[in-house]
Amino acid sequence: EIMMTQSPATLSVSPGERATLSCRASQSVSSNLAWYQQKPGQAPTLLIYGTYTRSTGIPARFSGGGSGTEFTLTISSLQSEDFAVYYCQQYNNWPLTFGGGTKVEIK
Amino acid sequence: QVQLQESGPGLVKPSETLSLTCSVSGGSMTYYYWSWIRQPPGKGLEWMGYIYHSGSTNYSPSLKSRVTISVDTSKNQFSLKLNSVTAADTAVYYCARVFFRGAIVGADSWGRGTLVTVSS
Repeated sequence: EIMMTQSPATLSVSPGERATLSCRASQSVSSNLAWYQQKPGQAPTLLIYGTYTRSTGIPARFSGGGSGTEFTLTISSLQSEDFAVYYCQQYNNWPLTFGGGTKVEIK
Repeated sequence: QVQLQESGPGLVKPSETLSLTCSVSGGSMTYYYWSWIRQPPGKGLEWMGYIYHSGSTNYSPSLKSRVTISVDTSKNQFSLKLNSVTAADTAVYYCARVFFRGAIVGADSWGRGTLVTVSS
C-alpha cells in the first residue's frame, strides 16, 4: 500500500496570500495524483487530477504540480471559501490512498 | 446532476454487521463504478472498495475479509456490508461515484455521509 504524507498539517494564511501544500508518496505514483477539498461537515470535492488538471468548475487559482513522489497544490490568492482541509490521493495502485490532510486556516 | 444518499443504522454493536445503502438519483448507474469511502471522526479518508454496474468488485486488502459491496441497478442502489465490526470501524461512511479517466481516478460525486458508531 502506498503511503501518502502531507505537510504541513496546518497552514495559517491571510486572505489574498498564496498557499503551497505538499504531498509525498512512499513510492512513485507517476502523475496519478489527485487533490480534494473538504469543508467542515461536508463531503470532499475533487479539485485536481492527473497532478495538474482541474475538475469542472474549479477556479484557476488552484494549480497542481510535481511528479513521481513529490507533489504540490498551490492556491494563488486565498479567498474566504478556500479555508478548508485539503487531501492528496494517489491512484497509481489499488488501494487508492489519501494523505492525512493539510488544514488551511485564516491567519 | 447525480445525487447520492446514504441510509442505514447509526449505531451498530461490536461483532455485528454494519449495513448501509446508497440511493442514486439524477442519473444512471450504468457504465459507472460506485464506491464506499470512510472517515473516522477527526481523521483522514479510506477507500473501502468499489463496484461496477455489472457487479464486479474490488476491495481494500485491509478490509477484504470483512466487506461486501453489492449493486441493484433496478433500484438505483448499491450497498455496503461490513461484518465483525469493532470500535475502530466508527466513522462517517460516504458513498460516491467513481471518476474514471482510463483508470479509476477518485470520486467526483459524493453523498453527504452518515456517521456509524460501533458501541454496545
